[in-house]
Amino acid sequence: GQQLNQSPQSMFIQEGEDVSMNCTSSSIFNTWLWYKQDPGEGPVLLIALYKAGELTSNGRLTAQFGITRKDSFLNISASIPSDVGIYFCAVYEGGNMLTFGGGTRLMVKP
Amino acid sequence: ETGVTQTPRHLVMGMTNKKSLKCEQHLGHNAMYWYKQSAKKPLELMFVYNFKEQTENNSVPSRFSPECPNSSHLFLHLHTLQPEDSALYLCASSHGGSNNEQFFGPGTRLTVL
Repeated sequence: GQQLNQSPQSMFIQEGEDVSMNCTSSSIFNTWLWYKQDPGEGPVLLIALYKAGELTSNGRLTAQFGITRKDSFLNISASIPSDVGIYFCAVYEGGNMLTFGGGTRLMVKP
Repeated sequence: ETGVTQTPRHLVMGMTNKKSLKCEQHLGHNAMYWYKQSAKKPLELMFVYNFKEQTENNSVPSRFSPECPNSSHLFLHLHTLQPEDSALYLCASSHGGSNNEQFFGPGTRLTVL
């Protein structure tokens, strides 16, 4: 399947800082998704992007669907301790088959 | 119960054991999925069931055997596993068709000794 390159792999930031992470691929996709996985839980959908260039917000989270359709970005503003977790980008590779990136592990200093 | 539930949450088994993982969804969905999450590897799709029919087998070894008796229940039967099969096994469900949001269960943490 398609490989999604997600970066950074991990980041350790101060509470209150803004966070950025991104995901790239060598192929074009029509949908980009961002999930968060808390410790001991399954991933939960944060934001879904369906249109190239689209910018969508969910509270302090903002995600963008790259204009080339080969990348996506997730920004978290004013991070708080509960933002800790692993963030995954994902794309649909035909039908209902999801392919995930390797994840960005976010750790926040209180 | 709400959402997607998985049992057991933790399982330790020997390589000669036979065990089963269970998933149940209470969302009225008709598609269900098994994923494997290993350390240092992305989430990998294993199997997809649409309306109880297996529509995808992502080159999974035969020591993993899925079963979907109805659209609310999904099992993963395990036998003669290897230590490298130790991972978090996640179940998900969605409405059928394309590009529908998948809702994940909490996973079963499997350790093969």
